[in-house]
Amino acid sequence: AQSVTQPDIHITVSEGASLELRCNYSYGATPYLFWYVQSPGQGLQLLLKYFSGDTLVQGIKGFEAEFKRSQSSFNLRKPSVHWSDAAEYFCAVARRNNNDMRFGAGTRLTVKP
Amino acid sequence: GAVVSQHPSWVICKSGTSVKIECRSLDFQATTMFWYRQFPKQSLMLMATSNEGSKATYEQGVEKDKFLINHASLTLSTLTVTSAHPEDSSFYICSAGNLKEYGYTFGSGTRLTVV
Repeated sequence: AQSVTQPDIHITVSEGASLELRCNYSYGATPYLFWYVQSPGQGLQLLLKYFSGDTLVQGIKGFEAEFKRSQSSFNLRKPSVHWSDAAEYFCAVARRNNNDMRFGAGTRLTVKP
Repeated sequence: GAVVSQHPSWVICKSGTSVKIECRSLDFQATTMFWYRQFPKQSLMLMATSNEGSKATYEQGVEKDKFLINHASLTLSTLTVTSAHPEDSSFYICSAGNLKEYGYTFGSGTRLTVV
């Protein structure tokens, strides 16, 4: 079955520490891959996306993600977390022959002072 | 560019009444829009794909008579929750855009509370 998995429901990191949020997908062919961030009660903001080409993708707010075909993963990273990064992060996929977008369960990020 | 506006941002209604939520693409034309539902502290679940000028495509398990979708123009899709009940209380979000250019843009969401 096609799915997108975010194994970590909640992650807590200290401000200034590095961050990695995991995302794995199970699709017949490599889908389009996205990371979105959602603040409480708000809509979603696109952090970055991968369609093809360079497997290391740079996004906004200092985030990056690396596509690893062999692991069917698209993990999100940030070298130094800021308190304002506390939010819910969603990995999303869209099949290349079908434009609907599906979301992982989300990872809630808490940043300790 | 690619701004999606959703209205209202929150609404409270009585059981048995209907509520309409609007999703507008402000600076582009959207032949397709998507409607999601999000329960507290959960992910977004795709409810339906709204197609301009034709019927919406509903996901399995979504009642099309309960959640009426109309996409009458290239900039507006509406979701009407008919005969609302407390279990319909949720956060509803729409999205639209050009997937291959910049991904989809999401509206700010509508918090529906049915009392």
